[in-house]
Amino acid sequence: RKEVEQDPGPFNVPEGATVAFNCTYSNSASQSFFWYRQDCRKEPKLLMSVYSSGNEDGRFTAQLNRASQYISLLIRDSKLSDSATYLCVVPGTGTYKYIFGTGTRLKVLA
Amino acid sequence: DAGVTQSPTHLIKTRGQHVTLRCSPISGHKSVSWYQQVLGQGPQFIFQYYEKEERGRGNFPDRFSARQFPNYSSELNVNALLLGDSALYLCASSTTGLGNQPQHFGDGTRLSIL
Repeated sequence: RKEVEQDPGPFNVPEGATVAFNCTYSNSASQSFFWYRQDCRKEPKLLMSVYSSGNEDGRFTAQLNRASQYISLLIRDSKLSDSATYLCVVPGTGTYKYIFGTGTRLKVLA
Repeated sequence: DAGVTQSPTHLIKTRGQHVTLRCSPISGHKSVSWYQQVLGQGPQFIFQYYEKEERGRGNFPDRFSARQFPNYSSELNVNALLLGDSALYLCASSTTGLGNQPQHFGDGTRLSIL
């Protein structure tokens, strides 16, 4: 099993739709999780940190399911500007390595 | 406050050459990490430095090396460049580099090997 796994997509959704992505991780000892957004040929930008059961910021909600070892990112009322790749990051335990998923591509269509 | 700054922005080299990439962290951040990102993949961890000491190393050959200076800036060196080293090289900083803190990325250096 990969350390961090994401569906690469693309997810094509109309404006205004709600979309959710999942990210599974293999290390059950992981405590912190992060979602980053990356636009084409740009650097990743922090979207949200997840330390406990979840986090919410405006239209974005992240939830953590420790039993099934996945985190999800929910985007409500999608905007054209939400089109990007969403990267899930799980810091290693016992190492200083941050492990990225391959990212999920989202395209919001007019 | 300035974010993470990297230089150069773009670089073109030929096989066998050597390259040095530079990174300045956010003021107050003592940890710098380096990542390699190839098209269609997530960033792959290369190194983490904290207080000038290497704290972590990813699965990269010895051709890759790095160091951190007293002002917390960092350099990534790659020797004997191969075509497969063509990628976006990202630097990220955080206060301590511990896993409970997110990292903040620079714009990256796009390296092309001919």
